[in-house]
Amino acid sequence: AQSVTQLGSHVSVSEGALVLLRCNYSSSVPPYLFWYVQYPNQGLQLLLKYTSAATLVKGINGFEAEFKKSETSFHLTKPSAHMSDAAEYFCAVSGVTTDSWGKLQFGAGTQVVVTP
Amino acid sequence: EAGVTQFPSHSVIEKGQTVTLRCDPISGHDNLYWYRRVMGKEIKFLLHFVKESKQDESGMPNNRFLAERTGGTYSTLKVQPAELEDSGVYFCASSYSGGAYIQYFGAGTRLSVL
Repeated sequence: AQSVTQLGSHVSVSEGALVLLRCNYSSSVPPYLFWYVQYPNQGLQLLLKYTSAATLVKGINGFEAEFKKSETSFHLTKPSAHMSDAAEYFCAVSGVTTDSWGKLQFGAGTQVVVTP
Repeated sequence: EAGVTQFPSHSVIEKGQTVTLRCDPISGHDNLYWYRRVMGKEIKFLLHFVKESKQDESGMPNNRFLAERTGGTYSTLKVQPAELEDSGVYFCASSYSGGAYIQYFGAGTRLSVL
């Protein structure tokens, strides 16, 4: 069975400061990992994904995440927060076989507030 | 290219009534998924269609929920009769067979059962 834990349901960050959102997973084999973002009144948008290639993954809007197998982590970072980064962020995991990757399991989400 | 579209965006019904949610996936996507987020909880998987067939419906909460995908195109999710605990946001997602692990989500339908 797989599961995802996001530390911190709410994060407040100053504009220009580092954004760090934590995600830890539990899986018997290295899974596929994803970060999604939901802006107000919009659907979930894929930020980036890890699918067993490079461990450092770059996504859209300046975000990146690093897969660390030893720590079972997939933390999301952005060097400098912008006001437009205010949104809810979700970490998700899926299996890596054709019969298991259709079922995403999500963390509880982290609401990011950016202050001027 | 249009994204995943869900109707309605918001539905308010009374306990015991019936509600039908609709999802139009991205054109050409064989895989269609339904998820639900109850207030304060994680987004939870409900079921997965491949074309018109149910691949995995392990997340469906009970037999008050019925999902269909006629002709492998759009899908509907019917709740009959609705209960208070069914309130939440229902998301639909789709993916194509060549990259089935990348799911594209709609904006969701917010269901309020009073």
